[in-house]
Amino acid sequence: GDSVTQTEGLVTLTEGLPVMLNCTYQSTYSPFLFWYVQHLNEAPKLLLKSFTDNKRPEHQGFHATLHKSSSSFHLQKSSAQLSDSALYYCALRGDSNYQLIWGSGTKLIIKP
Amino acid sequence: EAAVTQSPRNKVTVTGGNVTLSCRQTNSHNYMYWYRQDTGHGLRLIHYSYGAGNLQIGDVPDGYKATRTTQEDFFLLLELASPSQTSLYFCASRQGPSEVFFGKGTRLTVV
Repeated sequence: GDSVTQTEGLVTLTEGLPVMLNCTYQSTYSPFLFWYVQHLNEAPKLLLKSFTDNKRPEHQGFHATLHKSSSSFHLQKSSAQLSDSALYYCALRGDSNYQLIWGSGTKLIIKP
Repeated sequence: EAAVTQSPRNKVTVTGGNVTLSCRQTNSHNYMYWYRQDTGHGLRLIHYSYGAGNLQIGDVPDGYKATRTTQEDFFLLLELASPSQTSLYFCASRQGPSEVFFGKGTRLTVV
C-alpha cells in the first residue's frame, strides 16, 4: 500500500548550517507530495507541495524536489534559522478520495 | 484565509466520562477530518467525512464516534473516555485535492 517514511524523528542543527529532512514514499499512482510545518502550540500548515512538471517548489527559503527514480521528496534549506525550529510532516496524496498519507514527522531544533 | 474553529481548546475529563469535541469550518469544504497527534506517532486519522450525514472510518477509530451534522460542523464523541485517549486532537478541512486546513487543536486529558 501507499506509505510515507520520515526516517529522522529528531534533527538538531546549528544556526546557519544547511537543512535536509528526508522523506521517501511508496505510491501506487502518480505521486503528489506535501510538506507541512507545525510550530510549537500551533496547527500544522502547508509549507510546500510538489508540482507535476518538474518545477521545484520553494517557500520561506525551503525547497524540495520530487525524484520519482528514488521515490523521494526531501526538504532542504541552505541556511537554518532559529525560527525554523518546528515539527515537519511529509504527506502523500493517496488515490482514495485524495486522502493524505502522513509521515511520522521530524522535529527540527535549531540552536544558536 | 480558510477558517477551522475547534472547541473547547482544552478539556479535562475523568475515566469513563463522556466528551464531545466540536469543529466548525467556514470554507464550504466537503471533506472534514479528525486527527489525534501523539509524540512518536505523528498525525493519525480517526474519522473523516465528505459531506453532511457522511462518515468514514479512519486508521484509529476504536473508542471514537463522529457525526457530521451540516456542511460546516463535525463532532468527535468519546462516550467512555480512557487515559489512552489523552492526546492533542486536530480537526481539518479540505476541498477536493487541495490544501488541508487545520484548526488550532483541542488538548484532551483523561484522568
